[in-house]
Amino acid sequence: DAGVIQSPRHEVTEMGQEVTLRCKPISGHDYLFWYRQTMMRGLELLIYFNNNVPIDDSGMPEDRFSAKMPNASFSTLKIQPSEPRDSAVYFCASSSGPNDYEQYFGPGTRLTVT
Amino acid sequence: GNSVTQMEGPVTLSEEAFLTINCTYTATGYPSLFWYVQYPGEGLQLLLKATKADDKGSNKGFEATYRKETTSFHLEKGSVQVSDSAVYFCAYYQGAQKLVFGQGTRLTINP
Repeated sequence: DAGVIQSPRHEVTEMGQEVTLRCKPISGHDYLFWYRQTMMRGLELLIYFNNNVPIDDSGMPEDRFSAKMPNASFSTLKIQPSEPRDSAVYFCASSSGPNDYEQYFGPGTRLTVT
Repeated sequence: GNSVTQMEGPVTLSEEAFLTINCTYTATGYPSLFWYVQYPGEGLQLLLKATKADDKGSNKGFEATYRKETTSFHLEKGSVQVSDSAVYFCAYYQGAQKLVFGQGTRLTINP
């Protein structure tokens, strides 16, 4: 079975550019999560969706970040404009919920903003 | 506030050594507890879990017991292998499908 798929795996961009990260959750999973991982702050939950609807976006750092889930099999995390401090590994995860708390993580996208 | 505190890394051991990675949590009630592992270049994956007090989770030779008296969930393995080198995250279920993760502990096993 395919796990959570993320693309691209690596992204290098210049400050001020728009960055779009993509995620395909495991088929049948109703919950999708976006995390950011940095050395300084560890693993942070940015936003999560249930049945394509954003439930909690309190972790989104600022208005430059936005996330969408247009259908059950696709989600994007967009940063516009990007800044060097956005450099991190971004993970997407999904879970079947509501009584299964295990989250299945994708391989992550390593973003470098120069 | 609610949080998870893990043993600071990095931890370096020799192959076949005994491993303990400490984890304590601060939360309301008795949440489900988890250990996740992140191998180099990969996402996190569930290693083991315990859903109530005194439960023991186990997998791949790793064990952790849910101790409500000490609000702890320490990870142990009797004999580590080089392939266990990874970053280990303790986490608890906060509610509303959210997990709260610790900072992670990097483990390196030398042959």
